[in-house]
Amino acid sequence: KNEVEQSPQNLTAQEGEFITINCSYSVGISALHWLQQHPGGGIVSLFMLSSGKKKHGRLIATINIQEKHSSLHITASHPRDSAVYICAAVFTTWGGGADGLTFGKGTHLIIQP
Amino acid sequence: GAGVSQTPSNKVTEKGKYVELRCDPISGHTALYWYRQSLGQGPEFLIYFQGTGAADDSGLPNDRFFAVRPEGSVSTLKIQRTERGDSAVYLCASSYGLYTGELFFGEGSRLTVL
Repeated sequence: KNEVEQSPQNLTAQEGEFITINCSYSVGISALHWLQQHPGGGIVSLFMLSSGKKKHGRLIATINIQEKHSSLHITASHPRDSAVYICAAVFTTWGGGADGLTFGKGTHLIIQP
Repeated sequence: GAGVSQTPSNKVTEKGKYVELRCDPISGHTALYWYRQSLGQGPEFLIYFQGTGAADDSGLPNDRFFAVRPEGSVSTLKIQRTERGDSAVYLCASSYGLYTGELFFGEGSRLTVL
């Protein structure tokens, strides 16, 4: 069964702290997405990963295929980073195709000034 | 337009009515996806299209839900005999290839069934 688990579910931190959000998945994937959703807002794609590490500004995403685990890091966090962060995995089928996108439940991040 | 456009942004309807939700993807994106998000939950897959054909509709909850994409661009999600449990934000996303590129999401259509 295709499953995506995120932790923590809720995270409150002080401005400037280093933030880590974790995502683990059940079986083989072809790609993993990190998404951001602000309260009442739409969803924005942050990263798409199939291996290694990507960096964009203060955001860093890593993935370890062997351990079936990905992390999203935020350096020098700021109140505007407060949002729901969602990881979503593209699971592979036996035939090697994509088996849709399975979402985690999201991590509610609040950065206090 | 530059992004994924969804209409209407809000729809309030009565139980039992028929509803259509429209998604206009980014030009050139062959893959289009529909998701549903209930309050406090992550998005839930409904259906995705590659071109005009539904590549996977296994997420549609029952036969009251149907989606089309007749010309491989705009898609319409159709819900018959709406029920209160259908109330959610319906999200559309598109990408250049089927899950091979960055996903671009619309703002969603918030459906409320009274």
